[in-house]
Amino acid sequence: AQSVTQLDSHVSVSEGTPVLLRCNYSSSYSPSLFWYVQHPNKGLQLLLKYTSAATLVKGINGFEAEFKKSETSFHLTKPSAHMSDAAEYFCVVSGYSGSGNTGKLIFGQGTTLQVKP
Amino acid sequence: DAGVTQSPTHLIKTRGQQVTLRCSPISGHKSVSWYQQVLGQGPQFIFQYYEKEERGRGNFPDRFSARQFPNYSSELNVNALLLGDSALYLCASSELTGGLDQETQYFGPGTRLLVL
Repeated sequence: AQSVTQLDSHVSVSEGTPVLLRCNYSSSYSPSLFWYVQHPNKGLQLLLKYTSAATLVKGINGFEAEFKKSETSFHLTKPSAHMSDAAEYFCVVSGYSGSGNTGKLIFGQGTTLQVKP
Repeated sequence: DAGVTQSPTHLIKTRGQQVTLRCSPISGHKSVSWYQQVLGQGPQFIFQYYEKEERGRGNFPDRFSARQFPNYSSELNVNALLLGDSALYLCASSELTGGLDQETQYFGPGTRLLVL
């Protein structure tokens, strides 16, 4: 079975300072991993995805994430936070079974990012 | 290009009623997935459909059903509504390119259902 754990339910940073949102995953297979962002009363927007190519993945809006197999982690970072980054962030792992991709995305509980002026 | 669209945006029902939610995928996408997001939690997988066939099902009761039409749009039906069915229902579409790489799912804005 696959699962993700987001280590912080709430992260608060000042505008212009770095952002770190932590995610650990569990998967019996080589995972596909994603970060999605959800702004208030909006749907989910894909930030970036890892699918066994480069371990450092660059996404939209200056975000990036590094896949570390030895640590089973996929932390999301951004060098400098902007007020518009305030939102809910979800770490996601793809679902697999013995017969392959199940089509199911497994979401973490989410991390609320607060950006202070 | 238009993204994933869902209707209605909001819905209020009473316990025991039935509801139908609709989703149109991104043009060219043949797969539609449905998720339920209860307030304060991450989305939970309900169904995935591809070429009108159910490809995957999450841990939801039989009150939940779905179908996909020849134009790849989809409907999610929930019968005998319970208070606990109040949630944001999200639809996602994907190309479903196959292979071990997970196809990327693109989400619509959701339908917010309130059951009273």
